[in-house]
Amino acid sequence: GAVVSQHPSWVICKSGTSVKIECRSLDFQATTMFWYRQFPKQSLMLMATSNEGSKATYEQGVEKDKFLINHASLTLSTLTVTSAHPEDSSFYICSGGSGLYGYTFGSGTRLTVV
Amino acid sequence: GDSVTQMEGPVTLSEEAFLTINCTYTATGYPSLFWYVQYPGEGLQLLLKATKADDKGSNKGFEATYRKETTSFHLEKGSVQVSDSAVYFCALVWGSNQGGKLIFGQGTELSVKP
Repeated sequence: GAVVSQHPSWVICKSGTSVKIECRSLDFQATTMFWYRQFPKQSLMLMATSNEGSKATYEQGVEKDKFLINHASLTLSTLTVTSAHPEDSSFYICSGGSGLYGYTFGSGTRLTVV
Repeated sequence: GDSVTQMEGPVTLSEEAFLTINCTYTATGYPSLFWYVQYPGEGLQLLLKATKADDKGSNKGFEATYRKETTSFHLEKGSVQVSDSAVYFCALVWGSNQGGKLIFGQGTELSVKP
């Protein structure tokens, strides 16, 4: 089945710095990938849809300049949290695959901004 | 708009008890329906799916039947184990089945005691 690898699993960064999270499709070509954010004890909130070779589509209320998404190849999408602040601390998850058969999720990245 | 509603948790059961987690949806057309499971600190794993009315998805002893007449997709398991303790998310694919967005319920935390 489709496998999505997400890296890093966890990261701690200082306030004001930027952090890049990678999401790779290991055994399929992902023209579309999705980025989610999850707060403790809550459901997943879709942040943006990453499209290979074109601009990402952001959900309402998500700051494009803070959460930069790049999808330069069919196997790699990246999310960069720019000028991170403590309120950006969260669990970020990517997914890809087929909506018909069920998307595959990465293992998530726990970001802590101190 | 399309939405998914799950029964609230947490649900606490004793080992070998019967499990039901209710899920209902509102959607235009005929969405595909999914149950995902999330273990602590991890991403989501696809548990089972159903792509059309009356389909029954099953995996690892869990089952759910796509009921169009009641717009439901309730998750059941005859005998739960401690290892089933996790958060369960009901979801539907909105838009094109091949590339549509997942819409999640709020999640239901299950705790199984020995």
